[in-house]
Amino acid sequence: EVQVVESGGGLVQPGGSLRLSCAVSGLSFSDAWMSWVRQGPGKGLEWVGRIKSKRSGGTTDYAAPVRGRFSISRDDSKSTIYLQMNSLKIEDTAVYYCAYIAWAPVAMNSWGQGGLVTVSS
Amino acid sequence: QSVLTQPPSASGTPGLWVTIPCSGSSSNIGKNPVNWYQQLPRTAPKLLIYKNNQRPSGVPDRFSGSKSGTSASLAISGLYSEDEGDYYCAAWDDSLNAYVFGTGTQVTVL
Repeated sequence: EVQVVESGGGLVQPGGSLRLSCAVSGLSFSDAWMSWVRQGPGKGLEWVGRIKSKRSGGTTDYAAPVRGRFSISRDDSKSTIYLQMNSLKIEDTAVYYCAYIAWAPVAMNSWGQGGLVTVSS
Repeated sequence: QSVLTQPPSASGTPGLWVTIPCSGSSSNIGKNPVNWYQQLPRTAPKLLIYKNNQRPSGVPDRFSGSKSGTSASLAISGLYSEDEGDYYCAAWDDSLNAYVFGTGTQVTVL
């Protein structure tokens, strides 16, 4: 069974930075494509971005609202991906979910429990 | 705002069925497979349907998906009270080069 566990959420001021981590077990992580999704308070799901496996090029794609401010990276030796969030805005406040993409391009079959990021002064 | 449109709510009586439509365009549903997610209250989302009509292991066959042109739909038959929650369609959008979720539909079992 695939298990996904996020960590690193918290409170940050506007303009600040925060890094989320996502540890994965139960699969061959080096072959895994992974994604981040967020959900603002009382809002729907919003895709943040994805990272492909190194075998598929290791490339990343991002949603327009976070492009240029957020970046996703991976450490296959730790079976972990990261979401580096810079220049945070109040509207980035959300629960951030990490998910395993079981079927390309982005069918996410295993999700973490979510981590809350609050951007506030 | 989302490029995939769903009705905000849908309802049905136990044992009967409900259908949730999802309207997109030629750059998303018209070209790429559709996925459906279920989010029960206070839980993480769960993949219900992938590649338009495929069910991951463990998803009951009460849930079915279909696609035609630039629209898709999710059907839930034999409604149970535990099906109450939010349902989202999603697809890759070639113009945005991004994955997009629908606006979400809240299902109520009467």
